[in-house]
Amino acid sequence: DVKVTQSSRYLVKRTGEKVFLECVQDMDHENMFWYRQDPGLGLRLIYFSYDVKMKEKGDIPEGYSVSREKKERFSLILESASTNQTSMYLCASSPPLTGVAPYEQYFGPGTRLTVT
Amino acid sequence: SQQGEEDPQALSIQEGENATMNCSYKTSINNLQWYRQNSGRGLVHLILIRSNEREKHSGRLRVTLDTSKKSSSLLITASRAADTASYFCATDAGGFKTIFGAGTRLFVKA
Repeated sequence: DVKVTQSSRYLVKRTGEKVFLECVQDMDHENMFWYRQDPGLGLRLIYFSYDVKMKEKGDIPEGYSVSREKKERFSLILESASTNQTSMYLCASSPPLTGVAPYEQYFGPGTRLTVT
Repeated sequence: SQQGEEDPQALSIQEGENATMNCSYKTSINNLQWYRQNSGRGLVHLILIRSNEREKHSGRLRVTLDTSKKSSSLLITASRAADTASYFCATDAGGFKTIFGAGTRLFVKA
């Protein structure tokens, strides 16, 4: 089975702190994603990566950056945490695109981040 | 605006009943997927239906797709308490991106 793990289930940080969220997948997937999930808004894509050292902005990249130094690891960085970044953060991975449609994504358990 | 929007937002049924959730989307798609999320956990992929398919089954799940109406439905037959979760439809947005709806919260009473 594909396994996607995230470094923390719950995290509490103070405003202005630099926050690192780590995600590791064990299926050699090329694609990795970071989403945030807020009530009533569904999942919103922050960043994704389709290869090592490659990254693309999603729909809400402001206030975030990412790092992918190794294929299995994709890190989300909050440069200076703010209270409006309190949310559930979900990491996902998927195999490479073939044909015209993406495959299903495999999700980690999520990190519930609270910024006070 | 979201590509996929689920309806209803919440659904409460008795164990053994069928649950139907609907999803509408705005633009042409290559495929549509359904995911389940148990409370406070990550999403789990349930089923993928391609744009040239009209119906697909997987165990107690039945998914239909009507591209002319830009809509899909997920039917869970003979529901169980363990089916209590949020259900999301997701559509491809071209390339690497997948767009998720806000979800339907299903509560199955034992």
